[in-house]
Amino acid sequence: DQQVKQNSPSLSVQEGRISILNCDYTNSMFDYFLWYKKYPAEGPTFLISISSIKDKNEDGRFTVFLNKSAKHLSLHIVPSQPGDSAVYFCAAYYGGSQGNLIFGKGTKLSVKP
Amino acid sequence: EPEVTQTPSHQVTQMGQEVILRCVPISNHLYFYWYRQILGQKVEFLVSFYNNEISEKSEIFDDQFSVERPDGSNFTLKIRSTKLEDSAMYFCASRLIAGLYNEQFFGPGTRLTVL
Repeated sequence: DQQVKQNSPSLSVQEGRISILNCDYTNSMFDYFLWYKKYPAEGPTFLISISSIKDKNEDGRFTVFLNKSAKHLSLHIVPSQPGDSAVYFCAAYYGGSQGNLIFGKGTKLSVKP
Repeated sequence: EPEVTQTPSHQVTQMGQEVILRCVPISNHLYFYWYRQILGQKVEFLVSFYNNEISEKSEIFDDQFSVERPDGSNFTLKIRSTKLEDSAMYFCASRLIAGLYNEQFFGPGTRLTVL
């Protein structure tokens, strides 16, 4: 039962261009969404989040968009840098839970110089 | 910057043995979690812990698993009798409750290999 889906296992982008990572969810109770970045042999690192009352949140080169009606969110990285190469996880939880994150399977981003 | 630490980084054990994975959460955080990631699969929630008791646990967290906060700083996950399928990366995370919504901070993980 995949409540959070990342349908693209990998994405390759040229340095300086935009990276768009997508995530879909099925549980309409989710009201907080997060993106984590993970390098090999390290734990997930928090990147950016968005609450369901918003449709956009921006932090430097990273922007997350939320489309509640489509149950879809996306992470935009502009401009992409080689150091952004990592696995990106979409995660969600709902306020009535204890903050237990439900993760997608991840998308491996490769940014080529 | 404060961080979550985990020891050991890699644990190898024989099937049926007990293992204890250790975590030191960020000092002023109040919620603690264990997750695991089997190779090639997604990160899965195991258990959350607040106010010295389990808040919620997943169906993975059966009677073979237990958690403890033995002192003011450590948070441990014990697997009583390990199985081959317990081989995975185990991540500890902590969260500061200063509002309903805030992020969890993860440790670097312990790779558990059950032979």
